[in-house]
Amino acid sequence: QSALTQPPSASGSPGQSVTISCTGTSSDVGGYNYVSWYQQHPGKAPKLMIYEVNKRPSGVPPRFSGSKSGNTASLTVSGLQAEDEADYYCGSYAGSTFYLFGTGTKVTVL
Amino acid sequence: EVQLVESGGGLVQPGGSLRLSCAASGFTSSSFEMNWVRQAPGKGLEWVSYMSSSGSIIYHADSVKGRFTMSRDNAQNSVYLQMNSLRAEDTGVYYCARLSATAIGSFDYWGQGALVTVAT
Repeated sequence: QSALTQPPSASGSPGQSVTISCTGTSSDVGGYNYVSWYQQHPGKAPKLMIYEVNKRPSGVPPRFSGSKSGNTASLTVSGLQAEDEADYYCGSYAGSTFYLFGTGTKVTVL
Repeated sequence: EVQLVESGGGLVQPGGSLRLSCAASGFTSSSFEMNWVRQAPGKGLEWVSYMSSSGSIIYHADSVKGRFTMSRDNAQNSVYLQMNSLRAEDTGVYYCARLSATAIGSFDYWGQGALVTVAT
């Protein structure tokens, strides 16, 4: 059971866009359209931002978007705002392993 | 309002046991698949355990298989994580998380977390 691979960090200036990748295998990310993204501020519980690859829960701003190609999923945050500075984790249903999270990416708003 | 509140965390010696509780409100926990997710200090999220809505199906991560088990008390609208043979690497914040019934394959509500410290 290995975690999905994310870059450790990403950054952008306010108003810019940042894209985070999440690489797995055909047994998880590539095998199912059940990729989710979570935002976690320091000392807080994770918050669901994207589900089923590209769907947004009610209340999540449309500047958060998701996509997938093969074994790699991506989260894009457009029009970066100061409050977007947080850790982001992808997650995927993984069949017999059940569920895997990504290694996490710290997003810094410059 | 949906809420999940964990309790039962604390300091325990290696080899010891601890039982975490997760009290649900704002929904009937027996109607949902419930999970435990943990986070070691300064590290990422790790899925730990899953229990089906009926309670008949339970999965555990390989890292805790044979040592941890989930249970639920529908009358108390609560789920539990019994942790035995604890190791230093089990240290971290343990979150109770609800698997969404509509947002397939995602955790839509999380508790605030319970800190478990395994040390002498």
